[in-house]
Amino acid sequence: ELKVEQNPLFLSMQEGKNYTIYCNYSTTSDRLYWYRQDPGKSLESLFVLLSNGAVKQEGRLMASLDTKARLSTLHITAAVHDLSATYFCAVDMSDFGNEKLTFGTGTRLTIIP
Amino acid sequence: ETGVTQSPTHLIKTRGQQVTLRCSSQSGHNTVSWYQQALGQGPQFIFQYYREEENGRGNFPPRFSGLQFPNYSSELNVNALELDDSALYLCASSVKTGGYEQYFGPGTRLTVT
Repeated sequence: ELKVEQNPLFLSMQEGKNYTIYCNYSTTSDRLYWYRQDPGKSLESLFVLLSNGAVKQEGRLMASLDTKARLSTLHITAAVHDLSATYFCAVDMSDFGNEKLTFGTGTRLTIIP
Repeated sequence: ETGVTQSPTHLIKTRGQQVTLRCSSQSGHNTVSWYQQALGQGPQFIFQYYREEENGRGNFPPRFSGLQFPNYSSELNVNALELDDSALYLCASSVKTGGYEQYFGPGTRLTVT
């Protein structure tokens, strides 16, 4: 059974600081997703990583994938309050994509002014 | 382009009752997946529908069932509701071949009392 673990579960950080969220998964996959969720809201897609070594950046967020280590990271640079949310990674184990996402436990990020 | 829509937004039911949740997929998307997100947890895959047939199922009992219609919209039916069924139910639409991304709807918040 595929397991997806994120750490930390909770992260409180000051504005302007850098930090990294880690996502480990238990079996081979080369498709990993990052989502953001605001309280009471749905999931917003941030990044889709489709191969080993993939790196994507959008604003202050950068995601990377190491399929050999079964590890993805979400790096936050110079955090701002608007980034406060819960972040989920999810792994797709299907042959063609889009079949079943297994989500991590989520990281609740709070940015303190 | 119309995004993924879900109805109703909120729903309160009594234990033992039955409920139907609805999802309209994004224009051009032929696949719908359903997820259950309990409070404080990551979403869990319930099942997926493609070409009006179930195409993959997570660890949910048979009292969770679904339909997909020719216009690709979908329903999630839950019979004999239990208190633990209280959750946010999310549907996601995607293109079956090569899309590699799921777009989530706003969700239906179900409370079972």
